[in-house]
Amino acid sequence: DQQVKQNSPSLSVQEGRISILNCDYTNSMFDYFLWYKKYPAEGPTFLISISSIKDKNEDGRFTVFLNKSAKHLSLHIVPSQPGDSAVYFCAARMYNNNDMRFGAGTRLTVKP
Amino acid sequence: DVKVTQSSRYLVKRTGEKVFLECVQDMDHENMFWYRQDPGLGLRLIYFSYDVKMKEKGDIPEGYSVSREKKERFSLILESASTNQTSMYLCASSNTAGGPRNEQFFGPGTRLTVL
Repeated sequence: DQQVKQNSPSLSVQEGRISILNCDYTNSMFDYFLWYKKYPAEGPTFLISISSIKDKNEDGRFTVFLNKSAKHLSLHIVPSQPGDSAVYFCAARMYNNNDMRFGAGTRLTVKP
Repeated sequence: DVKVTQSSRYLVKRTGEKVFLECVQDMDHENMFWYRQDPGLGLRLIYFSYDVKMKEKGDIPEGYSVSREKKERFSLILESASTNQTSMYLCASSNTAGGPRNEQFFGPGTRLTVL
């Protein structure tokens, strides 16, 4: 039973436009959410996170939105750049736990 | 910079062989994790460890065991490799005192093929 779901396996956008990656979770005990980015032949690297007490966190071109009632979060990348092309994983954990649960990932392709 | 290294980038083994995947981190992190990454399934947690000589089962521990004799090293063992264990294996570490974010730092992965 996957507790974190990314239902879009791939997304393609034009350079300069907005990329929106979505993530849903089922466990209401999760209270911290992270996005990781993974290039081929490399391990995932941390991108941005959000606590459940917030509904938005912004870091440069990256913004994560959290809708707790819908158990949904999204990552917005504006403007998208070709270097953003990678697989993006959504992850969630409970505050007092060190282990996380990951989604299946979304492959983003940004076309020049 | 935190560095997590994995002993091999690519590994080919035969069915029934015993396989050791080694992971070392250099930032004195308490927590270490082993995942496998498969298409359409994302990263699934196999085992993790909060301290030396302790281990906890993740979501898919069957067919695997782990060893943590030293704080910096976490080994994943496939006692008798099978073809359904062909996958990308990722090791990660994190610091218990890392605050609310407590992100995990990943190694580059080992692509294991079992023939």
